[in-house]
Amino acid sequence: DAKTTQPPSMDCAEGRAANLPCNHSTISGNEYVYWYRQIHSQGPQYIIHGLKNNETNEMASLIITEDRKSSTLILPHATLRDTAVYYCIVRVRDTGNQFYFGTGTSLTVIP
Amino acid sequence: DSGVTQTPKHLITATGQRVTLRCSPRSGDLSVYWYQQSLDQGLQFLIQYYNGEERAKGNILERFSAQQFPDLHSELNLSSLELGDSALYFCASSSQQGGNTEAFFGQGTRLTVV
Repeated sequence: DAKTTQPPSMDCAEGRAANLPCNHSTISGNEYVYWYRQIHSQGPQYIIHGLKNNETNEMASLIITEDRKSSTLILPHATLRDTAVYYCIVRVRDTGNQFYFGTGTSLTVIP
Repeated sequence: DSGVTQTPKHLITATGQRVTLRCSPRSGDLSVYWYQQSLDQGLQFLIQYYNGEERAKGNILERFSAQQFPDLHSELNLSSLELGDSALYFCASSSQQGGNTEAFFGQGTRLTVV
């Protein structure tokens, strides 16, 4: 169901930018890219989403390539509290725009 | 706080029993989604309701059912429980069904079947 590919794990030094990549080569023109994160067993937390333009909010920035086949979530100054599993999701229009979660990237922020 | 409320937070029950999980969406949200997350597993989409009507089904077992009431809260009913049904169950809500609308998740109900 998931249309995305993410590295299983990444480390990032505290205070540095964390860049989390995601491949979604089969994305269609009207399908949005979403990012969520899950800390321990808490409910997934919405981070950001976009269609084709780069997006920024108080939590992160989302960079989508021009061909829309990949994207990068940027946490500008990672803190220990950003340690979590990050999910990149493409809402597939043909399946009712459901949020299908893949395996995500486990990000560890190192002091 | 996402604004989505799930009750109970924890539930322990025996095999063969039936339980009901409740979800109150964010104020004004019409769409409710249910997910299951087993130990060390990803989130599996179960079912979605929009304004009282079922909109999509995922990997939901026949022993499981759900509904959304006129006040928009939703309940997930799990029957003939098995040990393998032990999991976290999450509810999410969004204002619309469209692709440009984020969903917000509750903190989940942890179900333990013994």
